[in-house]
Amino acid sequence: NAGVTQTPKFRILKIGQSMTLQCTQDMNHNYMYWYRQDPGMGLKLIYYSVGAGITDKGEVPNGYNVSRSTTEDFPLRLELAAPSQTSVYFCASGTSGYNEQFFGPGTRLTVL
Amino acid sequence: GNSVTQMEGPVTLSEEAFLTINCTYTATGYPSLFWYVQYPGEGLQLLLKATKADDKGSNKGFEATYRKETTSFHLEKGSVQVSDSAVYFCALSERYGGSQGNLIFGKGTKLSVKP
Repeated sequence: NAGVTQTPKFRILKIGQSMTLQCTQDMNHNYMYWYRQDPGMGLKLIYYSVGAGITDKGEVPNGYNVSRSTTEDFPLRLELAAPSQTSVYFCASGTSGYNEQFFGPGTRLTVL
Repeated sequence: GNSVTQMEGPVTLSEEAFLTINCTYTATGYPSLFWYVQYPGEGLQLLLKATKADDKGSNKGFEATYRKETTSFHLEKGSVQVSDSAVYFCALSERYGGSQGNLIFGKGTKLSVKP
């Protein structure tokens, strides 16, 4: 099993550009999550999904959108990128909301 | 709301020293508690967990005991190695309540172990 995979690993965007961060898991987990990690600030939840077709906002959803058309995939869309979105983004999956989560390797995004 | 507080880093130790990283939490119910580790340039990996009071989680020589009376889940290791250098995150997940079961993380503690 590959676990949780994310693409791309690195990306530089200009202000106002858009992009989609891809996340795929092959563990048949219903729960999937997107976090951002800023230096010294731990991880903040952006969006999460409890199953295909169901998504909900986390702590910091503004400027992002998600969709969950399949169990495996949970892409994160950035519209109109801003410097405040410079961060490392992690996707995670799990079997339930209160069990451990499995993390991808992350995407380092810089918005200039 | 739910929250996790961990000791500020960075923590620098010599090889074979004893490690303690403090973690306390605030939760409305009965959370599960976790320690995750992040090695440089990588994602987070689960290190250990405990799901109820007095449970002890252990892995790779690390231990943490779920103390409900002190709302703590301190991470310990008797003899650290250079390969333990990483950032350690304490986290909680509550089955019921406002967080809807999502993980709440502390800010992380960076550990550097010198040979």
